[in-house]
Amino acid sequence: DTGVSQDPRHKITKRGQNVTFRCDPISEHNRLYWYRQTLGQGPEFLTYFQNEAQLEKSRLLSDRFSAERPKGSFSTLEIQRTEQGDSAMYLCASSFLSETQYFGPGTRLLVL
Amino acid sequence: AQKVTQAQTEISVVEKEDVTLDCVYETRDTTYYLFWYKQPPSGELVFLIRRNSFDEQNEISGRYSWNFQKSTSSFNFTITASQVVDSAVYFCALTFNAGGTSYGKLTFGQGTILTVHP
Repeated sequence: DTGVSQDPRHKITKRGQNVTFRCDPISEHNRLYWYRQTLGQGPEFLTYFQNEAQLEKSRLLSDRFSAERPKGSFSTLEIQRTEQGDSAMYLCASSFLSETQYFGPGTRLLVL
Repeated sequence: AQKVTQAQTEISVVEKEDVTLDCVYETRDTTYYLFWYKQPPSGELVFLIRRNSFDEQNEISGRYSWNFQKSTSSFNFTITASQVVDSAVYFCALTFNAGGTSYGKLTFGQGTILTVHP
């Protein structure tokens, strides 16, 4: 039973560029969550999907952020026109309905 | 609004000492779940325990134990006979039944950095 995987693990980009992250959940999990974690802080919720449907989005998710889960399996999180304030660890988690969320290793983004 | 407070930013102990990490939460919901996660230097959050609001029994798992007290809205975590491998950031988190929909997002505290010295 493989865990949650995320790709890439690290990303360095220049301000203004677009970036896309991928998350593959645990295979039998129908929910997928995205969180953002900045240095010295706890993770903050961004959005979550149940199957293909995006059920909730945080106010933290500005118009530059978009998330998809087209076939109810993997998900992508895209950030357009990146800003230095977007530098953070982006964490993905999955669960079966409202059961415990299991996290992936994260994607660490640095915007120069 | 839901809130989780971990007042201890950093704790430093010597191996074999017992250590307690505090967690205080706020919620208006009567039905909720509390969690503890561990984040080692590698960065991945590791699930430790989940407890629902109706179950106030303390739990012990090896060197780990948890004390849930609804009267004080606390869910504290104790490591007995700490080891160097316990060094990590520990997060307490809360999820609740939002307006009739089933539980979704986790609200995390700011974390406690635990350093165990040999």
